[in-house]
Amino acid sequence: AQKVTQAQTEISVVEKEDVTLDCVYETRDTTYYLFWYKQPPSGELVFLIRRNSFDEQNEISGRYSWNFQKSTSSFNFTITASQVVDSAVYFCALSDPIFNTNAGKSTFGDGTTLTVKP
Amino acid sequence: EAGVAQSPRYKIIEKRQSVAFWCNPISGHATLYWYQQILGQGPKLLIQFQNNGVVDDSQLPKDRFSAERLKGVDSTLKIQPAKLEDSAVYLCASSERRGGAYQPQHFGDGTRLSIL
Repeated sequence: AQKVTQAQTEISVVEKEDVTLDCVYETRDTTYYLFWYKQPPSGELVFLIRRNSFDEQNEISGRYSWNFQKSTSSFNFTITASQVVDSAVYFCALSDPIFNTNAGKSTFGDGTTLTVKP
Repeated sequence: EAGVAQSPRYKIIEKRQSVAFWCNPISGHATLYWYQQILGQGPKLLIQFQNNGVVDDSQLPKDRFSAERLKGVDSTLKIQPAKLEDSAVYLCASSERRGGAYQPQHFGDGTRLSIL
């Protein structure tokens, strides 16, 4: 069975601080996909990044960076120089490929609420 | 491109009443998902459609919940009768299939359901 754990329920930082959101996953599959989504106060989930299990190269996009470590089953998300607009709930999700028995089913963690104070 | 459309945005009903939600996915997206998001939790998949066929409904409480996507485009999710624990936000999402994976999901604004 798939499982995604986001141990940090809430994080509060002051603007311009760096912050890392942790994500640990469990799956028996060797091929899978990992995602991060952002849910601002308005409520709509917004896709941030997708990673497949064969690509462990870290990725940077502006102030956002992701650290994928297959050995520890972790896919952590770092925001550098945080801003008030980064305040949101962030979800990590795990998905199977279509050809697996779960047919692409996505499992979400319970999210980390990030509050960035001015 | 137009996003995923959901209606209504809010619904308040009494327990044992019935309610229906509507979703129109992004044009061309063959995969449609319904999620239930209880306050403080991540979205939980209720049902996943590929065109008008069900891919996964293992977490759908079939004694009270039903969903359909008759023409492979828009979809409705119904609860009958509603229970207090059904109070949640119901999210609809859609995605494309490309290669061996579903592409990232695009979410609607959700319907916030309150049961009195």
